[in-house]
Amino acid sequence: AQTVTQSQPEMSVQEAETVTLSCTYDTSENNYYLFWYKQPPSRQMILVIRQEAYKQQNATENRFSVNFQKAAKSFSLKISDSQLGDTAMYFCAFMKPRNQGGKLIFGQGTELSVKP
Amino acid sequence: GAVVSQHPSRVICKSGTSVKIECRSLDFQATTMFWYRQFPKQSLMLMATSNEGSKATYEQGVEKDKFLINHASLTLSTLTVTSAHPEDSSFYICSATGTTYSYEQYFGPGTRLTVT
Repeated sequence: AQTVTQSQPEMSVQEAETVTLSCTYDTSENNYYLFWYKQPPSRQMILVIRQEAYKQQNATENRFSVNFQKAAKSFSLKISDSQLGDTAMYFCAFMKPRNQGGKLIFGQGTELSVKP
Repeated sequence: GAVVSQHPSRVICKSGTSVKIECRSLDFQATTMFWYRQFPKQSLMLMATSNEGSKATYEQGVEKDKFLINHASLTLSTLTVTSAHPEDSSFYICSATGTTYSYEQYFGPGTRLTVT
């Protein structure tokens, strides 16, 4: 079975600084997807960034980028120029393709606080 | 973008009664819907997967007779908590996938259930 581990329950960063959230996963699959979701106090789940395992290039979305190390099964999220609105719970998630179930498996979450 | 709604956003019910939560895809056809449960400061736990017109597939440890899931149309899935007890109090979130992309799940805003 697949597992996702986030080893940092809480992190804080100063506004405008850079922070990296860690995520490791365990799978024997070769084809899968990885995601970072943000859950602000409203509790609405928001997709931050996604990575297809077959792509070697790391995904980037504006201030958010990932460091995907497939062999090490590591998928960290870097937030640059942190903003107060980035304060939220961040979840790393693993998913097999839809034709193999398509279920999201979430890590435990990292609570990020951005301080002014 | 794809929008998923949930109704109600909050519900309080007495112990022993049943409560229904609706999940709707507003602007796309949801071939698959997922139901999650989230306790405070914890991650999302998948309860069940439902495909339109088929019986739901429940995760291990989830009581099928207690959490009834119906996915009768391509835009609506319902979760009924039967004979609710205080330990069923939680935040329930649904998500849906359409036919266009193989990986994208769209999340509803969640429903807070309190059983007194």
